[in-house]
Amino acid sequence: NAGVTQTPKFQVLKTGQSMTLQCAQDMNHEYMSWYRQDPGMGLRLIHYSVGAGITDQGEVPNGYNVSRSTTEDFPLRLLSAAPSQTSVYFCASSYGLNPSEQYFGPGTRLTVT
Amino acid sequence: ELKVEQNPLFLSMQEGKNYTIYCNYSTTSDRLYWYRQDPGKSLESLFVLLSNGAVKQEGRLMASLDTKARLSTLHITAAVHDLSATYFCAVGGYGGATNKLIFGTGTLLAVQP
Repeated sequence: NAGVTQTPKFQVLKTGQSMTLQCAQDMNHEYMSWYRQDPGMGLRLIHYSVGAGITDQGEVPNGYNVSRSTTEDFPLRLLSAAPSQTSVYFCASSYGLNPSEQYFGPGTRLTVT
Repeated sequence: ELKVEQNPLFLSMQEGKNYTIYCNYSTTSDRLYWYRQDPGKSLESLFVLLSNGAVKQEGRLMASLDTKARLSTLHITAAVHDLSATYFCAVGGYGGATNKLIFGTGTLLAVQP
């Protein structure tokens, strides 16, 4: 199994540009989440999904959209990038409502100038 | 609102010494995770603590959970340089769903030879 994969690893955007961060998992996990990590602030939940077709907001959802058309994929869209969205983004997946473990992808480092 | 506080934020210790990292959280939860992160890397799962009084040990690290005090500890025994990393605790339960995690700000551990 590849586990949780994320692309791209690095990305530089200009303010106002849009892009999609990709996340995929091959473990047939129901639950997938997106977190952002900023210096000194730990990880914060952006959006999550409990299954195909079902998504909901986390702590910091503004400026981001998600959709979940398949169990495997959970892309994160930035509609109009802002410098405040400069961060490292992690995708995670888990199985079950009360998981014993969440599996994290390798991360995408995004810089918005 | 669920809040998670870790202390200390930075810990410099000598090889061979013992120390403890503390993780306090603000509301009821019976699921506490510890992660390790090396610079520029993703999160590596260390422990999942699922009930009051749970204790888990792996090598020089031991984690415990006191749900009544809303406190988890990560104890480091006879530290070695390879343990240098950032350690995060995370509590399940944001928005009432235990698969959504709230992270502490992390403890940067530097073990000096």
